[in-house]
Amino acid sequence: IVVTQSPGTLSLSPGERATLSCRASQTVSSNYLAWYQQKPGQAPRVLIYGASSRATGIPDRFSGSGSGTDFTLTISRLEPEDFAVYYCQQYGRSPHTFGQGTKVEIK
Amino acid sequence: EVQLVESGGGLVQPGGSLRISCAASGFSISNYWMMWVRQAPGKGLEWVANIKEDGSEKYYVDSVKGRFTISRDNAKNTLYLQMNSLTAEDTAVYYCATGGAVGNDWGQGTLVTVSS
Repeated sequence: IVVTQSPGTLSLSPGERATLSCRASQTVSSNYLAWYQQKPGQAPRVLIYGASSRATGIPDRFSGSGSGTDFTLTISRLEPEDFAVYYCQQYGRSPHTFGQGTKVEIK
Repeated sequence: EVQLVESGGGLVQPGGSLRISCAASGFSISNYWMMWVRQAPGKGLEWVANIKEDGSEKYYVDSVKGRFTISRDNAKNTLYLQMNSLTAEDTAVYYCATGGAVGNDWGQGTLVTVSS
């Protein structure tokens, strides 16, 4: 399954809303779709699994939605620490492919 | 505290082999699927392989099938990745993570560089 994220880069200001898109080339079974955040020099951190369930300790400004082939990560109000690269990953079928990432940068 | 520490990375010539390790502490890996994910310099994440709790099931991305072998020693609380016939395209930071699908806890990564 090929996973495509858009846009490649999102330029926003703190306090703004961020909407990130993830599209799969085939239906993701059981909505097995996860979102990760990665900051420079750090390992990824899981934010969302099962398309819409927040991982432990993740603030509620992060939310995931979608089903089938189209998924969205929304950050309701960007905090300074949210500027990073975000990846989606389907794990409904092996290999568990990642998207190419969306960079959220400060405008 | 859950901790994963990768080791064994380094410079290797094309066609060479390397085994990297992931030592876990603060929990027992015997209760978890485990996986390897890699990231080429300046690039995105690529899922590489995963292994069931008892090692009875293993899955690989096509690009490493027949060259890489994932294994585990639950008694030593350690995950391994044996990499053979390495090419420049295998140059990356290799991360281990708990979970066979969603990576919950991650190590800091170990850099493998394939170059002559």
